[in-house]
Amino acid sequence: NAGVTQTPKFQVLKTGQSMTLQCAQDMNHEYMSWYRQDPGMGLRLIHYSVGAGITDQGEVPNGYNVSRSTTEDFPLRLLSAAPSQTSVYFCASRAVSQRNSQETQYFGPGTRLLVL
Amino acid sequence: GENVEQHPSTLSVQEGDSAVIKCTYSDSASNYFPWYKQELGKGPQLIIDIRSNVGEKKDQRIAVTLNKTAKHFSLHITETQPEDSAVYFCAARGSSGGSYIPTFGRGTSLIVHP
Repeated sequence: NAGVTQTPKFQVLKTGQSMTLQCAQDMNHEYMSWYRQDPGMGLRLIHYSVGAGITDQGEVPNGYNVSRSTTEDFPLRLLSAAPSQTSVYFCASRAVSQRNSQETQYFGPGTRLLVL
Repeated sequence: GENVEQHPSTLSVQEGDSAVIKCTYSDSASNYFPWYKQELGKGPQLIIDIRSNVGEKKDQRIAVTLNKTAKHFSLHITETQPEDSAVYFCAARGSSGGSYIPTFGRGTSLIVHP
């Protein structure tokens, strides 16, 4: 398994440009989520999905859109980038063991976004 | 919603010493408390977790304790090594909305000096 993959690793945008951050997982996990990480702020939830076709807003959803057409993919779209969206973005998927209910959230390697 | 406070923000120890990171949470219905380690340039990785029906859990040099009454939980690392240097995040999963998504603390930067 490749786990959770994210592309691109690094991106520079100009204010007003749009882009899509890609996230994919090959572990057949139902739950996927997007976080942004800013210095001193920890990880803040942007959007999440509990399964294909189902998405919901997290703590900081403004300026971001998501969709979940397949179990594997959960892209994050910035329609009109702003300097406040400069951050490191992490995608994650969650597994729950049917044997002992042990749950594990797997994070991707992150996408570093700079908006000028 | 859930609110998680984490202290300290920075912790510097000598190799071989113990390190303790503390977190508090606000939602008394929270029942799952994971801890993550994030190395430079990488995504967070789960290192240990505890559920509300357990007071303590240990895995080699790391242990987590939970005080449900006080809504406190802590990460303990014994015999620290330089490779333990990283940012550590606590999290708590609340019960509202059925999202099963944890709320994270702001992180503790642990520095282990050789």
